[in-house]
Amino acid sequence: GENVEQHPSTLSVQEGDSAVIKCTYSDSASNYFPWYKQELGKRPQLIIDIRSNVGEKKDQRIAVTLNKTAKHFSLHITETQPEDSAVYFCAASNQGAQKLVFGQGTRLTINP
Amino acid sequence: DTGVSQDPRHKITKRGQNVTFRCDPISEHNRLYWYRQTLGQGPEFLTYFQNEAQLEKSRLLSDRFSAERPKGSFSTLEIQRTEQGDSAMYLCASGSSYNSPLHFGNGTRLTVT
Repeated sequence: GENVEQHPSTLSVQEGDSAVIKCTYSDSASNYFPWYKQELGKRPQLIIDIRSNVGEKKDQRIAVTLNKTAKHFSLHITETQPEDSAVYFCAASNQGAQKLVFGQGTRLTINP
Repeated sequence: DTGVSQDPRHKITKRGQNVTFRCDPISEHNRLYWYRQTLGQGPEFLTYFQNEAQLEKSRLLSDRFSAERPKGSFSTLEIQRTEQGDSAMYLCASGSSYNSPLHFGNGTRLTVT
């Protein structure tokens, strides 16, 4: 089955700097890759997703890149703000499995 | 609020007791998932329904766990003879189709004493 590895587990950046979180997946059939943000005590919320027919997707300060050959994808947050502090999870799924497999999470802290 | 709702938000039970959680998905979503999340970990897949059919169940799920979605709308997750290791956040999510975004509920936090 699918296995998703995420790193780093913790990340601390200065406000205004960029943050990058990376994930690798094992199943070459995976073709859907969402990213979720989870604040303390709250539900995971989808912030951006990408499908395997594109290599990059951007939404304001957030972007995701996908390298199918290497089986890895990354989340990029630019001009970080204190409200970006949260735990971020990557995930992968494919038509066969039809379920999301999540990474272990990255705790992002934005220092003012 | 038309999001995914879960009830109860918190449940404290003694070891050996049975508990049941409910999930009401977004009304037009035919896919419903249960996940479990422990502190510092990502959500772990438990089981998945398409309409009323339970299509997959994690091998990690013991026979003490059972889930139903009798009319293809709300779902229940029952844990029998609870153990301390069952303490976790139980998350429900729904989606409209394969590879469509999953929307999560706020979860039920279970504490087994």
